[in-house]
Amino acid sequence: QKEVEQNSGPLSVPEGAIASLNCTYSDRVSQSFFWYRQYSGKSPELIMSIYSNGDKEDGRFTAQLNKASQYVSLLIRDSQPSDSATYLCAVRTSILNSGYALNFGKGTSLLVTP
Amino acid sequence: DTGVSQDPRHKITKRGQNVTFRCDPISEHNRLYWYRQTLGQGPEFLTYFQNEAQLEKSRLLSDRFSAERPKGSFSTLEIQRTEQGDSAMYLCASSQKTTGELFFGEGSRLTVL
Repeated sequence: QKEVEQNSGPLSVPEGAIASLNCTYSDRVSQSFFWYRQYSGKSPELIMSIYSNGDKEDGRFTAQLNKASQYVSLLIRDSQPSDSATYLCAVRTSILNSGYALNFGKGTSLLVTP
Repeated sequence: DTGVSQDPRHKITKRGQNVTFRCDPISEHNRLYWYRQTLGQGPEFLTYFQNEAQLEKSRLLSDRFSAERPKGSFSTLEIQRTEQGDSAMYLCASSQKTTGELFFGEGSRLTVL
C-alpha cells in the first residue's frame, strides 16, 4: 500500500510564528506533490505544488521537497489565526498512474492562537 | 463562477435508497475525479474520467457505486441501496493534463439514516 503520512496534530503556534508541517510518502517514484488547505466543513483548496527537490516560495508559504528522504514540508511564515485549518499533503503515486489522481494524507490540524 | 460545481450540497436519505450526485467541472478541464472524505480522514480516490472515458476505479468502490460522464462534460455519481457507512462528503475535482493540479468543488455531503 502506497501511503502518505502526516502527523494529525493539532499543531498549535502563536500568531506571527512559523508553522512547519511535514509529510512523508512511501512511493519512491512519486513525482508531484501538493499541499491543500481545508477549513472545517469546506472542501480542499490548493495552496502549492512542487515537483523538484528544493524550496518553492509563494508569499508566506514555502514548500520543501527532498525526494531522497521521501519528505515534503510546508512552512507558513507570520502565521495568522485565519491559517487555522487542516493541511493535506497529496502525492501523485505510481499506483494511480493512469489519470494523475492524487493520494492524500489524513491531514495535520493547525491552530494559530492570537 | 468558473469553479467546479456540485449538486446537491447536502443529501439526507434513508438506508436502502438510491442517491445521485452531479458534478460540473471547470470548462477547460478534461479530467474529472470523484473522492470520498469522512471525518478526520483525507480524501479517498474513487474514480477518474478523461473526457467521457472512465479510466480508473478504486478497489474501494463497491458495485453499488456507478459513475458516468456523458459527452465528457458533467459527471454523475450514483449510489444504490445506500448504507450508513456511505455517509461521507463526496468531492468532485477536475484538472488539466498539463499541470495535474486538482481543483475541488464544494462537495456533496451525504447522510444515510
